Amino acid sequence: EAAVTQSPRNKVTVTGGNVTLSCRQTNSHNYMYWYRQDTGHGLRLIHYSYGAGNLQIGDVPDGYKATRTTQEDFFLLLELASPSQTSLYFCASSPQGNYAEQFFGPGTRLTVL
Amino acid sequence: QQKVQQSPESLIVPEGGMASLNCTSSDRNVDYFWWYRQHSGKSPKMLMSIFSNGEKEEGRFTVHLNKASLHTSLHIRDSQPSDSALYLCAARTSSGQKLVFGQGTILKVYL
Repeated sequence: EAAVTQSPRNKVTVTGGNVTLSCRQTNSHNYMYWYRQDTGHGLRLIHYSYGAGNLQIGDVPDGYKATRTTQEDFFLLLELASPSQTSLYFCASSPQGNYAEQFFGPGTRLTVL
Repeated sequence: QQKVQQSPESLIVPEGGMASLNCTSSDRNVDYFWWYRQHSGKSPKMLMSIFSNGEKEEGRFTVHLNKASLHTSLHIRDSQPSDSALYLCAARTSSGQKLVFGQGTILKVYL
């Protein structure tokens, strides 16, 4: 099964703080995604990428930047964290193609005080 | 923006019973649906996918799709306590590279 890892698993920061969430996949998948999960909203797509150096805007991008440095690594950046960004963040990857299954990492729980 | 609506929000069934979950998209360009299952404290994992009209069965799980109404349903027969989880429906449009998820249905199976 596809392996996707995320770090840190838990993070607490203060309003206005700087946070970087990391994601690595070791399955040579082209596509990588960042989602946030909040009760009552399911999973909402923040940003995604189909290769190193590529970035596509998702459905809820405000307040987030992302960068795909290699095929394996995808980072989510919160430069001025706000309490509304307190959430559970999932990274996912999938092989090339519109209809491929997405494989999710274990998640990062972020709390912004 | 496309919306994916799931119902009911939560569902309680006895062990051995049938659970039926529903999902509808508002986008007529949707051509593929997935069902993901997420146990408490875990990440979502793909359960089944469907893109053709009709039904698809895998063990105790059956998925139906009506493309005309953009409605899909997941049926779990002989429900087990281990089926207790959040079930997420996702839809993809024919032109897109991304999934849109519904808000989920929480299923609880009691002994």
